[in-house]
Amino acid sequence: QKEVEQDPGPLSVPEGAIVSLNCTYSNSAFQYFMWYRQYSRKGPELLMYTYSSGNKEDGRFTAQVDKSSKYISLFIRDSQPSDSATYLCAMSARSSSASKIIFGSGTRLSIRP
Amino acid sequence: NAGVTQTPKFQVLKTGQSMTLQCAQDMNHEYMSWYRQDPGMGLRLIHYSVGAGITDQGEVPNGYNVSRSTTEDFPLRLLSAAPSQTSVYFCASSSGGGELFFGEGSRLTVL
Repeated sequence: QKEVEQDPGPLSVPEGAIVSLNCTYSNSAFQYFMWYRQYSRKGPELLMYTYSSGNKEDGRFTAQVDKSSKYISLFIRDSQPSDSATYLCAMSARSSSASKIIFGSGTRLSIRP
Repeated sequence: NAGVTQTPKFQVLKTGQSMTLQCAQDMNHEYMSWYRQDPGMGLRLIHYSVGAGITDQGEVPNGYNVSRSTTEDFPLRLLSAAPSQTSVYFCASSSGGGELFFGEGSRLTVL
């Protein structure tokens, strides 16, 4: 069993819709949770970073962590065609300088104009 | 500001050949890592380093070697290339704040 599971999609939604992306994990030691966005033929870039359980909001993006269920989510409000990309969840047990970061397989998202 | 620089961007090898993927960062980051990305597999950690002289294995280390003689450089060596190593390779670095900075990737094809 992989430590981090993520539905690969593809997911296609109309512009303006609310998008929900999810990951589950098995390692209860994970405390740092991240979402990366990757455009085609580019390296991933950090979108959201949270520590432990709770919610974090940044503009149209909200990250949720439920450690009791080992489940994390990324919500995108008022989705735009420019949000079309692959979204990867990532997590680690300690801050990235001291521990390895494990990624999900990524969800390919397409926003239809 | 260069960030993380990977070379080469594209490479074609024959089975059994060896090569080194270069990675350099100019942000004075202690943490550096190599990932490979295959369709439907996401990013899989090959090797990582928490500082000069310190390296450790990730999820898929077989067939790859690394060393970290300086803070800036973290080369990835393929000892005897196999078709299963056809992939896109990403190098990343971090200062420890949780954000990984990725290079543009190196696309490797092994025939």
